[in-house]
Amino acid sequence: QVRLQESGPGLVKPSETLSLTCTVSGYSISSVYYWGWIRQPPGKGLEWIGSIHHSGRTYYNPSLKSRVTISVDTTKNQFSLKLSSVTAADTAVYYCARAVMYWGQGTLVTVSS
Amino acid sequence: EIVLTQSPGTLSLSPGERATLSCRASQSVSSSYLAWYQQKPGQAPRLLIYDASSRATGIPDRFSGSGSGTDFTLTISRLEPEDFAVYYCQQYGSSPPYSFGQGTKLEIK
Repeated sequence: QVRLQESGPGLVKPSETLSLTCTVSGYSISSVYYWGWIRQPPGKGLEWIGSIHHSGRTYYNPSLKSRVTISVDTTKNQFSLKLSSVTAADTAVYYCARAVMYWGQGTLVTVSS
Repeated sequence: EIVLTQSPGTLSLSPGERATLSCRASQSVSSSYLAWYQQKPGQAPRLLIYDASSRATGIPDRFSGSGSGTDFTLTISRLEPEDFAVYYCQQYGSSPPYSFGQGTKLEIK
């Protein structure tokens, strides 16, 4: 059974960097498929943030590209999201996913001083 | 970048009725890499359909997907009370970003 679990601070100060980790169980992160991050501001729709593919190549939403980094740690079977220079507009539930099939439960990150 | 437009924004129907939700892409979605999700309040999205017409594991057969190119449809043949939720489409073709539609809210009439 493939499972994904997001972890990281629930509160981040404006202008700082949001850092989240997705721990994968039941499947090797080194195998085929891409691993991605999606977010959902309160009361709004889903926004694709970016993904990292088994080739190692990364793709980012153009609207966030200058602030986003997605990386993989194969030794821990984890992948991570870093979003810099956050503002209140980055407050959202952040989800990690393996392609379209498997999603984590999501974690709420609030940007506030 | 492919923009997905879902219609209608809100759909009001009664249990037992048929629901038809539309997702239109601004350009062709390669290999019909189009997914449909259901989301209920406080829950993560749940995959219903992938590759435009393949049902995900455990999804009842009253859910079906169709379409290709730029026009895709999710059909729920007979609505059950638990089907009232928000539905999103997403394209994951050869060219990221893997954009989402803005969602269709299916509400009880």
